[in-house]
Formats: sequence, C-alpha cells, structure tokens
Amino acid sequence: AQTVTQSQPEMSVQEAETVTLSCTYDTSESDYYLFWYKQPPSRQMILVIRQEAYKQQNATENRFSVNFQKAAKSFSLKISDSQLGDAAMYFCAYRRYNNNDMRFGAGTRLTVKP
Amino acid sequence: NAGVTQTPKFRILKIGQSMTLQCAQDMNHNYMYWYRQDPGMGLKLIYYSVGAGITDKGEVPNGYNVSRSTTEDFPLRLELAAPSQTSVYFCASSWGLAGGYEQYFGPGTRLTVT
Repeated sequence: AQTVTQSQPEMSVQEAETVTLSCTYDTSESDYYLFWYKQPPSRQMILVIRQEAYKQQNATENRFSVNFQKAAKSFSLKISDSQLGDAAMYFCAYRRYNNNDMRFGAGTRLTVKP
Repeated sequence: NAGVTQTPKFRILKIGQSMTLQCAQDMNHNYMYWYRQDPGMGLKLIYYSVGAGITDKGEVPNGYNVSRSTTEDFPLRLELAAPSQTSVYFCASSWGLAGGYEQYFGPGTRLTVT
C-alpha cells in the first residue's frame, strides 16, 4: 500500500521569507503523480502544484516550487516570498498512474507571521 | 459555473439514523469522488464513479453506499450512522483520472454522529 508521510505537523514563517514543507512517500510503482493541496480555514481544497514522476524537471507555479527526489521518494514544497494568505493546512498526496485512489498525508499547518 | 456543490454544510445525526449527502457538479465531469477527512488527518477515498451507472470502492467504503444515475449528481448514503462516521465529507470531480486532471473539490459537509 502506498503511504504518504508529512513529518512536520506545524511550521511557521515570517512574511516575505521562504519556507519548505517536507513530504515522503512509499511506493513500488514507477509511474505516479504527486500533489500539494492547500486547505485554508474555509475547508476548500485547492490544488497548489503537481508533479508527474516521469518528469525530472521540478514543477513550479509562481511562488511555489517542488524538490522532487524520485530515488529518495521525497517531494518537498517551497513557498517563496510568503504571504499572509498562504496560511493554511498543506497536504501532500500521491496517486498511482491510471488509478483513482489518491492517498493523502496528515498535513502540515503553516502559520505566516506578519 | 457553480463548480462542485454539497448539501448540507452541517448535520448532526443520532446513532442509527440514516442520511444522504448530496453532491452535484456542473462541469460535465465524468469522474466523481467522495472523501472523508477525520480531525488532524488527510482525506481518505470512500467511493468514486467514472461515469453514470459506474461506481467503485475506495480505501474506506464500509458503512456507505453511492449511486450515480446522472453525470451531474453523486449522492453518498449513510445507513445506520455510527460515531466513527463523524467527519468532514468532501465531494470532488475531474475530467478523467485525477493523476492527469485536476480534481475540483466541494466545500465539504461536517457530520457529527452522537
């Protein structure tokens, strides 16, 4: 079974600084997708960024980027120039290629200090 | 477009009662999903559907039933509610297998069983 581990229950960052959230996963598959979702207090799940395992290049979306280390099964999220609106729960998720069952980590609560 | 809508937003059930959580999407997505999120945890897949008339179990299906008679609607039925079903329930939809396509989430239903 695939599992996703987020070892940091809580993180905090000063506004305008950079923070990295960690995620590791366990799989024997070679084709899969990885995701970071943001869940603000409104509870709405919002896709932040995704990475296809076959792509060596790390995904980026504006201030959000990932460090994907396939051999180490690591998928960290870097948030640059942190903003107050980035405060939320962040979930790392894994999905096997052509499979509907997405597995989520337990989440990291990010606080942004003004 | 309203996206993915869920009703009700909140509900309190007594042990042994039954209820149906409603989910609708107006994006003509073939794939729809039901997740539950327990306190301090990530989401877990309950059931999913790849089109009208086709449903399948996810990671935690026990105690739930689903049906998909139309593309738009994907209700989740709880029979004989138990305290272990206290959770926040999210419905989601996507064009295709969520690895390649973004999942769009509803705002969630907070259910308490006492």
